[in-house]
Amino acid sequence: GAVVSQHPSWVICKSGTSVKIECRSLDFQATTMFWYRQFPKQSLMLMATSNEGSKATYEQGVEKDKFLINHASLTLSTLTVTSAHPEDSSFYICSAREGSANYGYTFGSGTRLTVV
Amino acid sequence: TQLLEQSPQFLSIQEGENLTVYCNSSSVFSSLQWYRQEPGEGPVLLVTVVTGGEVKKLKRLTFQFGDARKDSSLHITAAQTGDTGLYLCAGEAGTGGFKTIFGAGTRLFVKA
Repeated sequence: GAVVSQHPSWVICKSGTSVKIECRSLDFQATTMFWYRQFPKQSLMLMATSNEGSKATYEQGVEKDKFLINHASLTLSTLTVTSAHPEDSSFYICSAREGSANYGYTFGSGTRLTVV
Repeated sequence: TQLLEQSPQFLSIQEGENLTVYCNSSSVFSSLQWYRQEPGEGPVLLVTVVTGGEVKKLKRLTFQFGDARKDSSLHITAAQTGDTGLYLCAGEAGTGGFKTIFGAGTRLFVKA
């Protein structure tokens, strides 16, 4: 089945620094990937849709300059949290879909970001 | 705005009991998926239902898609501690669209 690899699985960084999270589709090409944020005991909140070769589409309320998305190839999308602050601490998850809607989405294993 | 309401939000039961989780909307979905997420992990797809009235079984889990394709249910028979997790339903409206709507989730805890 489709596999999405997300790296790192956890990261601790200092306030003001930037953190890059990678999301790779391992055995399929994904022209579109999705980035979510999840707070403790809550559901997924879609942050942005990453489009290969073009600009990402951000959801309302998500700062594009804060959360930089790059989808340079058909198998890799990256999310960079710039000038991170403690309130950016969260669980970030990416997903992609192989084929039509009937296949559902394959999610990465998530990245736990802690900003100190 | 399309919404998917899941109920209950939280469920704590004893091992061996049965349970049903509901996912309701006023919108029609072309397909609906159920996922299970364990702490510190990404959601894992359990099933996709596409046809109104469709019933799918996955071992002790039974998924049903409403006739009007606006609602769905997940029934677990003889729950086990390994069923503990966050269950999410997700609906996709229209065809070819990439935006999927997630429910708020049902957090299930099965006690031994």
